[in-house]
Amino acid sequence: KAGVTQTPRYLIKTRGQQVTLSCSPISGHRSVSWYQQTPGQGLQFLFEYFSETQRNKGNFPGRFSGRQFSNSRSEMNVSTLELGDSALYLCASSLVDSGQQQYFGPGTRLTVT
Amino acid sequence: EDQVTQSPEALRLQEGESSSLNCSYTVSGLRGLFWYRQDPGKGPEFLFTLYSAGEEKEKERLKATLTKKESFLHITAPKPEDSATYLCAGAGGTSYGKLTFGQGTILTVHP
Repeated sequence: KAGVTQTPRYLIKTRGQQVTLSCSPISGHRSVSWYQQTPGQGLQFLFEYFSETQRNKGNFPGRFSGRQFSNSRSEMNVSTLELGDSALYLCASSLVDSGQQQYFGPGTRLTVT
Repeated sequence: EDQVTQSPEALRLQEGESSSLNCSYTVSGLRGLFWYRQDPGKGPEFLFTLYSAGEEKEKERLKATLTKKESFLHITAPKPEDSATYLCAGAGGTSYGKLTFGQGTILTVHP
């Protein structure tokens, strides 16, 4: 069974630009969550999607947004990039609120210069 | 606000030297306490889920326990391949999809 895939794996952007990251969950998983990981703040929750609806949102500015498609694939977008947005962005998928664990992808390493 | 605190930040052990990692949590309506392992350049890998105080789970050299305020990850006779960052996370409220993570414990096991 294929794991969670994230594209691209690495990305370099310039301050002020916008970026879109993609996540394909494990087949059959309908819940997708996004996290930002930095050395200073650790792993922080961004948002969770289930059946194309945002179910939870973390404490991030409105520049961070996401969506989920009918096939459960998800994208997150960051507009007007800032240097502080440089981070590893992790996507995780799980079955329908079954209490099962989230399976994480390898992440997208975003560098903002 | 939900909070998860892990200690120590870093732990260096000799191969075979058993120890424990601590995770203190304040998570409203805790639904589950998760332990993950993360290797450099990779996403977190699931280890355990604990649902209620008193619960214990084991996997090879690892054993996780849960109380009403803390969780412990016991490592028995560790090997160098156990070197990694160990993350603790709590899921509270209405969904398992929103995890509050601790900062992690960086474990290094020397041969």
